[in-house]
Amino acid sequence: KAGVTQTPRYLIKTRGQQVTLSCSPISGHRSVSWYQQTPGQGLQFLFEYFSETQRNKGNFPGRFSGRQFSNSRSEMNVSTLELGDSALYLCASSLDLIHLQFGNGTRLTVT
Amino acid sequence: AQTVTQSQPEMSVQEAETVTLSCTYDTSESDYYLFWYKQPPSRQMILVIRQEAYKQQNATENRFSVNFQKAAKSFSLKISDSQLGDAAMYFCAYRRGGSQGNLIFGKGTKLSVKP
Repeated sequence: KAGVTQTPRYLIKTRGQQVTLSCSPISGHRSVSWYQQTPGQGLQFLFEYFSETQRNKGNFPGRFSGRQFSNSRSEMNVSTLELGDSALYLCASSLDLIHLQFGNGTRLTVT
Repeated sequence: AQTVTQSQPEMSVQEAETVTLSCTYDTSESDYYLFWYKQPPSRQMILVIRQEAYKQQNATENRFSVNFQKAAKSFSLKISDSQLGDAAMYFCAYRRGGSQGNLIFGKGTKLSVKP
């Protein structure tokens, strides 16, 4: 069974631009969560989707948004990028909403 | 609000020896889950072991075991017969019970394994 796939693996953007990250969950998993990992703040929860509905949202500004498609694939978007958005963005999928399986992440660098 | 604290930023262990990583958490919930995740340089977070709060028996997965002290809100990870491949960042995480909830992570412990 294929694992959680995140694309791209690396991204370099400039301040003010926007970016879209993609996540394909494990087949059969309908829940997708996103986390931001930085050296300073550690791992922080962004949002969770289940059957195309956002069920839960972390404490991030409105520049961070996401969506989930009918095939459970998810995207997250960050608009008006700031230097502080440089991070590893991890996506995880779950069958039972509790036990998460993570992808390899997308490393975003904002210059 | 729930919090997870890992007080050891770095730990080191000799190959084949045993090491214990500490984790404490704070919650007022009675139903919750605790996890240990491993993050090697490949960046993927890998679930090492999980513990349901309602279970008194400590979880064990091969060389990995936990010491779950519910009253003390402590959840330490013991790695026996350490191997070079165990070198990684280890994160302790908490999730409340029920269908809604997200993982709350500690800051992590970087484990080095010396040959």
